[in-house]
Amino acid sequence: AQSVAQPEDQVNVAEGNPLTVKCTYSVSGNPYLFWYVQYPNRGLQFLLKYITGDNLVKGSYGFEAEFNKSQTSFHLKKPSALVSDSALYFCAVRDAGDTGTASKLTFGTGTRLQVTL
Amino acid sequence: NAGVTQTPKFQVLKTGQSMTLQCAQDMNHNSMYWYRQDPGMGLRLIYYSASEGTTDKGEVPNGYNVSRLNKREFSLRLESAAPSQTSVYFCASSLTGDSNGELFFGEGSRLTVL
Repeated sequence: AQSVAQPEDQVNVAEGNPLTVKCTYSVSGNPYLFWYVQYPNRGLQFLLKYITGDNLVKGSYGFEAEFNKSQTSFHLKKPSALVSDSALYFCAVRDAGDTGTASKLTFGTGTRLQVTL
Repeated sequence: NAGVTQTPKFQVLKTGQSMTLQCAQDMNHNSMYWYRQDPGMGLRLIYYSASEGTTDKGEVPNGYNVSRLNKREFSLRLESAAPSQTSVYFCASSLTGDSNGELFFGEGSRLTVL
């Protein structure tokens, strides 16, 4: 079975400071990893994904994430936070060894990012 | 550019009532999904349809049924609603049989069961 842990319910950061939202995963094989963002009363929006290749993945709105296989982590980062980045962030995983044709993702419980002036 | 459209956006039911949540996508995606979102639980997969004509159970299928009406539409039915089914429901779709494809989500349907 695959699983995702987001250890922080909320992360607070001042605008202009770097931010990190943590994610660790568990799969039996190699992982496909995703980050999504949810703004209030909206659906989830895709930010970025790691499938293979470079461990540092760049995505939308200046976000990036670093895949660390030895630590089974995929932390989301941004060098300089904006107030408009305040939202709920979800990490998700899929076992690459699952050969089914649907993209069945397992999501973490979410981390609320609060960026203040 | 509608993407994934869900109806209704809000619904209040009494225990035992039935209802159907509708979902349609206009991106020619093969796979469609229903998730529920609960505080502290994240998103959990209820049912999915890998392609037109197929449906499969996800993590939390009990109390729900689904129909893949055609390639565009995937509905979720609650036959006898229970308070435990109070949640926000999200429909999603993905492009192809590519298992690493990202999901595209609708804006959600907030259901309250009294």
